[in-house]
Amino acid sequence: QSALTQPASVSGSPGQSITISCTGTSSDVGGYHYVSWYQQHPDKAPKLMIYDVSNRPSGISNRFSGSKSGNTASLTISGLQAEDEADYYCSSYTSSTTVVFGGGTKLTVL
Amino acid sequence: QVQLQESGPGLVKPSETLSLTCGVSGHSISTTNYYWGWIRQPPGKGLEWIGSISHSGITYYNPSLNSRVSISIDTSKSQFSLKVTSVTAADTAVYYCTSKEWVYYYMDVWGKGTTVTVS
Repeated sequence: QSALTQPASVSGSPGQSITISCTGTSSDVGGYHYVSWYQQHPDKAPKLMIYDVSNRPSGISNRFSGSKSGNTASLTISGLQAEDEADYYCSSYTSSTTVVFGGGTKLTVL
Repeated sequence: QVQLQESGPGLVKPSETLSLTCGVSGHSISTTNYYWGWIRQPPGKGLEWIGSISHSGITYYNPSLNSRVSISIDTSKSQFSLKVTSVTAADTAVYYCTSKEWVYYYMDVWGKGTTVTVS
């Protein structure tokens, strides 16, 4: 299975909005509603931020939102804050009943 | 609240077997609607799904690792384990154990991770 495609890096200023894309195929992202996003700060375990494309677990800020169109899923962070600076990974269920991750995107808050 | 803690050797020789255990606390590992899994992250690289196991022992594995990986569950000890055979330097990574209620393709509880070096 091939990794999902994410941009290596994105950046934005405090208060702005950014969007991270995650492109797969019809066998993963495009074929199922089971896309998730994880936030990882340096030397920390990842944290689930979005599941089922657009749902937020309890306790996750509504500044984080997810969407999907065709084979591409997106994570949008609005009202950027310094604490949002981290690596972000998308993940999808696949037609082989496995899980595939994206390569990760480093978000820099300028 | 489920809490997870990885344990195992931090150094493994090439061609040998990597064995890790994840201790589960705060919740019964026998709960029927929970899935337990492993994720790894090579130094400076992204996340890689290794596999998952249900309370009843049904397993799901990454096909790229399938022939070398096995995940098992020991309800009497409230822990689950990972074995990776014939390791090489490419298996050097931080290994995380994870859990999620109802489905295995999301992970909402993570251990702190343990570093395994193959050398």
